[in-house]
Formats: sequence, structure tokens, C-alpha cells
Amino acid sequence: ETGVTQTPRHLVMGMTNKKSLKCEQHLGHNAMYWYKQSAKKPLELMFVYNFKEQTENNSVPSRFSPECPNSSHLFLHLHTLQPEDSALYLCASSQGAGALPYEQYFGPGTRLTVT
Amino acid sequence: GIQVEQSPPDLILQEGANSTLRCNFSDSVNNLQWFHQNPWGQLINLFYIPSGTKQNGRLSATTVATERYSLLYISSSQTTDSGVYFCAGSPSLYYGNNRLAFGKGNQVVVIP
Repeated sequence: ETGVTQTPRHLVMGMTNKKSLKCEQHLGHNAMYWYKQSAKKPLELMFVYNFKEQTENNSVPSRFSPECPNSSHLFLHLHTLQPEDSALYLCASSQGAGALPYEQYFGPGTRLTVT
Repeated sequence: GIQVEQSPPDLILQEGANSTLRCNFSDSVNNLQWFHQNPWGQLINLFYIPSGTKQNGRLSATTVATERYSLLYISSSQTTDSGVYFCAGSPSLYYGNNRLAFGKGNQVVVIP
């Protein structure tokens, strides 16, 4: 148990569906992240939020829409996805995401399959 | 961005054996972390080690920041050590300090 939870753990969706992934951290952190892990590829950073403000969008397609209502919750809204978007989506949190480096803690991930 | 190279990509160990995993970075990093990913995808934090040496039970890690590499040592390996080991680091820039770049991982299989 890392203090970061993600729901759902598994999700199967069609290309025309809209779904959302949820992440919650119980560590009192101020920064939250979305990463994507595709088969045979390194984890890729998607988005960074620091004190609810988005500070990084790593050229992610607009069919992925993040939302951070507060420092403890992070969502990833999905719409009109493609089969190549099937992957493990991991959420992480850290004390901050600014000038100082901090250790990141990861949730268990949501395994997404797009049919 | 920073390139992270991990070696060896695959490793098969007899239970009880020792091993060393290596991580090379293309540029200076801080915020260097080692993780173990279990079969269900969970990344477990092993070490936060921007420099120096740390030990935790049968695992230890050493980072030589000036030479841009880190090593993870597994001693007296057990079957529960099987899985994928990742290293990750972020560039030593003012606002890049928490943008982790990952390697492709070391797939370790420990056989009884």
C-alpha cells in the first residue's frame, strides 16, 4: 500500500465511449502525475499537476483530458480512444513538482483495453 | 529528453545468487529512483538515491552522479525478487526536477 489508490483497476471501453480514471492520494502531497505504460515501452510521463495547476502536458492527444480539482484527487477523462491507447495508466504523487526534487509514489494502475 | 539505459534487459538467476543491475543516464539527473514492478503492475519504491549508497535488507543501491549511472545489487536472491526493475531520473533543471524518465526495465526471473 503506497497511499495512492486508483479506480477502476481494469477498464474495457469501445472507441466511442467516454470514461474516466480516478486517482486519490492520502499522503498529503501537492503534486500528482499521470504516466502511461505500453507493452515493450518505457513509462511515459503524460501530465503533471502542482498545487492543482497543470505544469506539464507531454504532447498528449486531446482525447485524454486531465482534471485536478484538489491536491488529493486526479482524474483522466477519456473519449474517442484508439486501440493503440490500450495500456497501463499509472498515477503518482509527490510532495511537490517545482524547483526541488521529490520522491514519487505510484498507484496500482488502471489497465485499459480499447476495443 | 534524458535517455535511460538499463542493463541487462533480462536476467535469470538461481535462487541464492547475487546480481547487479545497471542504469546509465544520457545527462545529469537528480531525483533518481529504483522501483520493482510486481506482476499486477504496482510500482514499489525501492530506493530514492540521487547520490551515494543505501542498503535495505538484501538490496542495496549506489549512484555515482558525476558519471551518470546507478547500480542496484540483489544479494541472496529469492523467488519473490522476480519481476521488472525500473530506474528513473529527472533532469537537473529548475522545473524539470520531477519529470521522471524511465528505462525499459530489467526483467529478473529467480528460479528455485
